[in-house]
Amino acid sequence: NAGVTQTPKFRVLKTGQSMTLLCAQDMNHEYMYWYRQDPGMGLRLIHYSVGEGTTAKGEVPDGYNVSRLKKQNFLLGLESAAPSQTSVYFCASSQTQEGYTFGSGTRLTVV
Amino acid sequence: SQQGEEDPQALSIQEGENATMNCSYKTSINNLQWYRQNSGRGLVHLILIRSNEREKHSGRLRVTLDTSKKSSSLLITASRAADTASYFCATDPAVGDTGGFKTIFGAGTRLFVKA
Repeated sequence: NAGVTQTPKFRVLKTGQSMTLLCAQDMNHEYMYWYRQDPGMGLRLIHYSVGEGTTAKGEVPDGYNVSRLKKQNFLLGLESAAPSQTSVYFCASSQTQEGYTFGSGTRLTVV
Repeated sequence: SQQGEEDPQALSIQEGENATMNCSYKTSINNLQWYRQNSGRGLVHLILIRSNEREKHSGRLRVTLDTSKKSSSLLITASRAADTASYFCATDPAVGDTGGFKTIFGAGTRLFVKA
């Protein structure tokens, strides 16, 4: 019963470097989401997907790209990391809008 | 601006006491959900209340919803040290052109239960 798995759990990047965060879910959920969590800000939606092969922008999409080539995977890419992208990133999945399942998060520091 | 705002930002109580957290929101909603987050972990779904419901219970949790005041409260009865966590409300706005998928999370209430 893995649920939603995020890799890596921690990462330190230098400004300008790129990386990809991987999210995998084993619940056959249609919808997947990437959020970032910053102190005092709650969770903010970066991008989301309503099904395999689809993606859409959320509230704070700039500086990020996503892909959903397989239903179970949702990738978040940072092409050129900036210190403002230091945050904790959470992936979530759902079958409806009535309850999300979250991963355990990726703590990213950009120096 | 955030759709959901929790109050208080932080709450410290003794084990056995009740804990009440409030959430206010701005637009019409389809449903409101409460989540819990333990330190360093992901959010866990606790309970959902739909816009046509006024109260819901789940174990020691009681949620109320007042759509006229655009507010909700989460009551945890007989709190335990293990209830120490952050609690978030999340709203699913009833906005016609979003197609859903825009559940909005508040900044959370940090609850500390002293043993």
